[in-house]
Amino acid sequence: QLQLQESGPGLVKPSETLSLTCTVSGDSVTNDNYYWAWVRQPPGKALEWIGSVYYSGNTFYNPSVRSRVAISADTSSNQFSLRLNSVTAADTAVYYCASHRFSTSWYPVYFDYWGQGALVTVSS
Amino acid sequence: QAALTQPRSVSGSPGQSVSISCTGTRNDVGMYMYVSWYQQSPGKAPKLLIYDVSKRPSGVPGRFSGSKSGYTASLTISGLQNEDEADYYCCSYAGSNSYVFGTGTKVTVL
Repeated sequence: QLQLQESGPGLVKPSETLSLTCTVSGDSVTNDNYYWAWVRQPPGKALEWIGSVYYSGNTFYNPSVRSRVAISADTSSNQFSLRLNSVTAADTAVYYCASHRFSTSWYPVYFDYWGQGALVTVSS
Repeated sequence: QAALTQPRSVSGSPGQSVSISCTGTRNDVGMYMYVSWYQQSPGKAPKLLIYDVSKRPSGVPGRFSGSKSGYTASLTISGLQNEDEADYYCCSYAGSNSYVFGTGTKVTVL
């Protein structure tokens, strides 16, 4: 069974870059049934999709963060990563990595496995 | 890209049925058959309940069902159980490789 685990700093200063890594086990990031996604949830608020990456490097991002975000996949380490620059307090959230699965479509449409989440606080 | 609209809360007694609505627009829920639903217990990661509007992954109890009409998708829990108390989120494909979640609904078992 697919398992995902987020890792990275829990505290980031304003204007700096948030970096998280998701380690995938139980399958390969090169599985062509999946993109790999980041989803975040500010405290007490709703889920927000950040972006998704295919093992080939193809990415798509939420327009709300597109100018600040980069998601990449590392097939050699079976991981994928999130970088979000110029962070503010509004970026404080639990960040989840998830598998983003294809259905009867040419694009992924649902998130079937999730990591446990990593709380990242933006504060000086 | 506005969030899909869900009721803030719904409640029911054990054994009853409850439904959660998820209202979008012609550009997301109204256009695509790619609505999914997630259950999130406090302090936990979301769990997939429904995908492609009405399909259940293996292991999800049959009391969870999904449907869609026009711009509104719905999740129904038939035979509510105490362990169903959680937050529920819908999500829809919104075209141009983008995805939008709902505002979330807290289900309370009375």
